[in-house]
Amino acid sequence: DQQVKQNSPSLSVQEGRISILNCDYTNSMFDYFLWYKKYPAEGPTFLISISSIKDKNEDGRFTVFLNKSAKHLSLHIVPSQPGDSAVYFCAAILNSGGSNYKLTFGKGTLLTVNP
Amino acid sequence: DVKVTQSSRYLVKRTGEKVFLECVQDMDHENMFWYRQDPGLGLRLIYFSYDVKMKEKGDIPEGYSVSREKKERFSLILESASTNQTSMYLCASSLGDRVLYFGPGTRLTVT
Repeated sequence: DQQVKQNSPSLSVQEGRISILNCDYTNSMFDYFLWYKKYPAEGPTFLISISSIKDKNEDGRFTVFLNKSAKHLSLHIVPSQPGDSAVYFCAAILNSGGSNYKLTFGKGTLLTVNP
Repeated sequence: DVKVTQSSRYLVKRTGEKVFLECVQDMDHENMFWYRQDPGLGLRLIYFSYDVKMKEKGDIPEGYSVSREKKERFSLILESASTNQTSMYLCASSLGDRVLYFGPGTRLTVT
């Protein structure tokens, strides 16, 4: 039972345009969400996060939107750069208020930004 | 900067061998995790630990065990390696701020 879903295995965009990566979740008890970026042969690196009490969080070129009623979040990258080409993982946390928690990851979306 | 190191980047082992994957973090993090990454399956949690000598099963613990004798070190053990354990293994740590810091990964091939 996959609780965090990234339904697009891959996405290709032109440099300078917007990249939109989508993520859906099924468990309404998830209350914190994160996006990670992963280059080949490297570990994932944290990109941006959002609490369920917010609907938007922005950090430079990266913005995450959360729609709780639809159980959907998206990552927007504007403008997209070739160096953004990587696999992007969405992750969710249940009851994140305590110090003990675990992340549930989606399967990832491979973003390719073409020059 | 948080640093999570893993003992090997690439490892080749034979079926039936006992395999140890070591992970060390240098930031006094309480929480440590082992994930494996497979194409089309994403990151799946094998085991995690919230404190020394503590361990909790993740989503796919079968065929694995772990050891956490010191706070900075979390070891993943494959008791008898099998070909379906060929994968990228990723260790991570966190302080409790909900962000995981990952190591570079170990690409394990079991032949």
